[in-house]
Amino acid sequence: EVQLLESGGTLVRPGGSLRLSCAASGFNFGNYAMTWVRQAPGKGLEWVSDISATGTTIYYEDSVKGRFTISRDNSKNTLYLQMNSLTGDDTAVYYCAKQFGGVSLDAFDYWGQGTLVTVSS
Amino acid sequence: EIVLTQSPATLSVSPGDGVTLSCRTSQSVGMNLAWYQRRPGQAPRLLIHGASIRAAGVPARFSGSGSGTEFALTVSSLQSEDFAVYYCQHYYDWPYTFGQGTTLEIK
Repeated sequence: EVQLLESGGTLVRPGGSLRLSCAASGFNFGNYAMTWVRQAPGKGLEWVSDISATGTTIYYEDSVKGRFTISRDNSKNTLYLQMNSLTGDDTAVYYCAKQFGGVSLDAFDYWGQGTLVTVSS
Repeated sequence: EIVLTQSPATLSVSPGDGVTLSCRTSQSVGMNLAWYQRRPGQAPRLLIHGASIRAAGVPARFSGSGSGTEFALTVSSLQSEDFAVYYCQHYYDWPYTFGQGTTLEIK
């Protein structure tokens, strides 16, 4: 059974940093592209970042470019999102999701339950 | 950025009814469109990818259609567990974007 378990969400002050993790199991993690998606309170789903199976191809949504870094450790079956210079607009539930294929530009066939990041003073 | 517009925003229907949800994209995305179901307190669930391909384990009462800029999700004979929020999403290019969602509520 595919499982994605996010962790690391918490309350952080504006300007602060946070690293989210997503532990994957039930599939060959190193064969699939992975994604972070977020949902701010009262808002819709917003794609944040993509990383290919090998980690060589990475894309970011414009508002997080230069502040967030996606990475993965295929030996640990774990996806990460390093978030720096956080603002209130980053307050959201962050979901990791598995893509169908290894090279991105595909649908998200499994999602985690999400981890809440709150940016507030 | 490709904008996805879903309609209607809310649909009040009775169990057993059939419904069709619409998703329009601001430019062609070919067949690179997915539909997700979001029940309260749960993670999104993939229903349809490639515009019309049912994901594994999705009941046959869910069907997707369309291409280019006009897409639809049809649910025949609504069951109680189908009352949820439905999102469309393109994966034609970066950034991926989602529609704002259609809520199916019980009449």
